[in-house]
Amino acid sequence: DGGITQSPKYLFRKEGQNVTLSCEQNLNHDAMYWYRQDPGQGLRLIYYSQIVNDFQKGDIAEGYSVSREKKESFPLTVTSAQKNPTAFYLCASSPRTATFEKLFFGSGTQLSVL
Amino acid sequence: AQTVTQSQPEMSVQEAETVTLSCTYDTSESDYYLFWYKQPPSRQMILVIRQEAYKQQNATENRFSVNFQKAAKSFSLKISDSQLGDAAMYFCAYRRNYGQNFVFGPGTRLSVLP
Repeated sequence: DGGITQSPKYLFRKEGQNVTLSCEQNLNHDAMYWYRQDPGQGLRLIYYSQIVNDFQKGDIAEGYSVSREKKESFPLTVTSAQKNPTAFYLCASSPRTATFEKLFFGSGTQLSVL
Repeated sequence: AQTVTQSQPEMSVQEAETVTLSCTYDTSESDYYLFWYKQPPSRQMILVIRQEAYKQQNATENRFSVNFQKAAKSFSLKISDSQLGDAAMYFCAYRRNYGQNFVFGPGTRLSVLP
């Protein structure tokens, strides 16, 4: 079945540590996204990528980094510069040229600070 | 920049009754798309319904329908014959035509009372 796989489901970060959240899709979608979800604030865009080897910052990119070396993969690294990383992280994808298309979401990663 | 507002942080409805969730948005664009997403306790994001701004007819999906008022920039969701499984966070989202980013509102938590 086609879909988006996020791993791990739960992740714990120590002070000063970088951690990487995995996102893989087999939907053959060009566009991929990372959103952060905090209680009461909805989803905020961190980074998005429309094609391989290209990505753009979203509204809250500081303290995060991404790569897009393969069409199906869009990992997110939460760096030590992100001082408040505790949140629920959602990866999503959509066909690039079909604006009416919905976002397809993964099941999310809950990141907590130890 | 586009913004999406959901003025009801929490709502409740009796099982089998009807409830309406409000959403307003701010944009200078004339061509765009609007979405309602549901996030149950599993935290998996599920598309409920979507609307193209150029269509005057309100979208419907079984028990879910919208009241789209383009001039007022309002996009409310009506849930008829509410069921226990409708209990979830509901997010309103906006995407401009040929735009890559989806802008989400802060969400409304819906409780369904037996």
